Amino acid sequence: EDQVTQSPEALRLQEGESSSLNCSYTVSGLRGLFWYRQDPGKGPEFLFTLYSAGEEKEKERLKATLTKKESFLHITAPKPEDSATYLCAVTEYGNKLVFGAGTILRVKS
Amino acid sequence: DTAVSQTPKYLVTQMGNDKSIKCEQNLGHDTMYWYKQDSKKFLKIMFSYNNKELIINETVPNRFSPKSPDKAHLNLHINSLELGDSAVYFCASSQGPGRRYGYTFGSGTRLTVV
Repeated sequence: EDQVTQSPEALRLQEGESSSLNCSYTVSGLRGLFWYRQDPGKGPEFLFTLYSAGEEKEKERLKATLTKKESFLHITAPKPEDSATYLCAVTEYGNKLVFGAGTILRVKS
Repeated sequence: DTAVSQTPKYLVTQMGNDKSIKCEQNLGHDTMYWYKQDSKKFLKIMFSYNNKELIINETVPNRFSPKSPDKAHLNLHINSLELGDSAVYFCASSQGPGRRYGYTFGSGTRLTVV
């Protein structure tokens, strides 16, 4: 049973072409939804935590939003350096992070 | 000044061997984790320790044994390695549940079993 589903699997954008990544989850008692960025050969790097529906967080060209069933990571005017795999994860209880499979983002100049 | 460091970064070994991966964090966090990332890039939790106490033990073959000598260190020992153990293993740490500040990951250990 998939608890976290990310779409699309891969996304190619031109520099400056804004878009959104989706993360849908099926956990019943969400305690936190996380977004991470992972570059090749490196560990995931923490971006945001969202706790409740309606919450939004921003960092540079990235904005994360949360509803009761999904989260979006909006990328505004992306640059080539935004190319990475973006991972979504949730916690239900305790400390366990359950990850989605990720979205591979490629931004071409 | 690396926050979560793992050694070795690469490990190539033959089937049947026993190997260990070491992890150290200098963030003062209470909780440490081992995650496995398979060839499809799926990250799955294996173990978690809070202040040297095992608190999460997912369905992992008992050939995998974690050890936490103190709250800054979490090692992973793997016995009788199999081809399917090939993956990238990540260590991570968090302050308590990590819900507010997230988890800090190491750069991973790529294990290849031949």
